[in-house]
Amino acid sequence: AQKITQTQPGMFVQEKEAVTLDCTYDTSDPSYGLFWYKQPSSGEMIFLIYQGSYDQQNATEGRYSLNFQKARKSANLVISASQLGDSAMYFCAMNALTGNQFYFGTGTSLTVIP
Amino acid sequence: KAGVTQTPRYLIKTRGQQVTLSCSPISGHRSVSWYQQTPGQGLQFLFEYFSETQRNKGNFPGRFSGRQFSNSRSEMNVSTLELGDSALYLCASSSDRLEPRDEQYFGPGTRLTVT
Repeated sequence: AQKITQTQPGMFVQEKEAVTLDCTYDTSDPSYGLFWYKQPSSGEMIFLIYQGSYDQQNATEGRYSLNFQKARKSANLVISASQLGDSAMYFCAMNALTGNQFYFGTGTSLTVIP
Repeated sequence: KAGVTQTPRYLIKTRGQQVTLSCSPISGHRSVSWYQQTPGQGLQFLFEYFSETQRNKGNFPGRFSGRQFSNSRSEMNVSTLELGDSALYLCASSSDRLEPRDEQYFGPGTRLTVT
């Protein structure tokens, strides 16, 4: 069965500091994609970063990087130099071909403290 | 390219009524998925349509239904509304999701309140 687990319901980080949001996944598919989305209080889900299961290097997009450890089935999001605007819910998701469905974690609420 | 649009953005209904929500995907996208998001249950998958056919379905009662038109626009309907149906309903589109890289693009959501 496909599953995404986010074990941190809430996180706090000081402005300008780095923060890591945890995500573990479970799938038997050899080919899958891992995504992180940001959801501000307005509700819209904003795509942040993607990592493919066959990608050799960790994905990076500006201040976002994905720490992909395939053997441990983890795909942690690292946000560097946190900004107040980073305060939001963050969802880890997986696109596995089995079941033909996007699987989401329960989310982590990040609060950036000035 | 225009993004995913959802109408209406906000809706207030009374228990027992029915409601129809609309989603227009990004041009060229043929897959439309619907999600229900509540504070208690998080993001839950409702169903996915591809080329006018329901391709996948989550674990929701039959009161929740949907359809997709030939132009890929999709509607979801909830009949006999219950208080617990109050939620943010998100629609997402993608080209066909047969590739792992095929991300979902989300609309702004429809916030439904049932009183």
